Amino acid sequence: QSVLTQPPSVSGAPGQRVTISCTGSSSNIGAGYDVHWYQQLPGTAPKLLIYGNSNRPSGVPDRFSGSKSGTSASLAITGLQAEDEADYYCQSYDSSLFYVFGTGTKVTVL
Amino acid sequence: QVQLVQSGAEVKKPGSSVKVSCKASGGTFSSYAISWVRQAPGQGLEWMGGIIPIFGTANYAQKFQGRVTITADESTSTAYMELSSLRSEDTAVYYCATAEVDCSGGSCYLNWFDPWGQGTLVTVSS
Repeated sequence: QSVLTQPPSVSGAPGQRVTISCTGSSSNIGAGYDVHWYQQLPGTAPKLLIYGNSNRPSGVPDRFSGSKSGTSASLAITGLQAEDEADYYCQSYDSSLFYVFGTGTKVTVL
Repeated sequence: QVQLVQSGAEVKKPGSSVKVSCKASGGTFSSYAISWVRQAPGQGLEWMGGIIPIFGTANYAQKFQGRVTITADESTSTAYMELSSLRSEDTAVYYCATAEVDCSGGSCYLNWFDPWGQGTLVTVSS
């Protein structure tokens, strides 16, 4: 049972903007620990998408962006594309539990 | 860039143990941490524990304390995760992942997990 809560699913038409929330608490995100995001395509290992709340690794398209405020973080995908259909997970550090992942969100491109 | 290659799929009986390996190449093995993350079928990601080879100590998620042992062999740049007393609920894909260690704030934390191994399916079945 994860301490970081995400919506189970979000969907959008190609070209639209979707956002995924990641809600934590005062022992993780609210304590100032960074949030990272991972994309998991079907049948593959997770891949780093956003690190340090809002930074994109080399090679990640700029249509992906991250932000953090208070006890929550968000991932936004603008200009949604078919290849963005995947599962997305947030991750942070928790002062009691060490490293924690969000519950995961399935993005569907309509 | 570091690359991680994991050992192959395993089928185990309930009550037995499994040991999964993760061989690193392309980086300085002892300078970063190796964590293990598992994913049960259709479920999310779950951090199990990790080791910082240069420190030689491992940390484990409370859920797995007493059942999991994570070790690292610097001579072969290989990390291992051994899970004992297997039960059907341990059926999952097990991933290793590297993370840089940040000790700038006095305490040491792992940065983001990148890259990841390809995953090892462990099936527990009688």
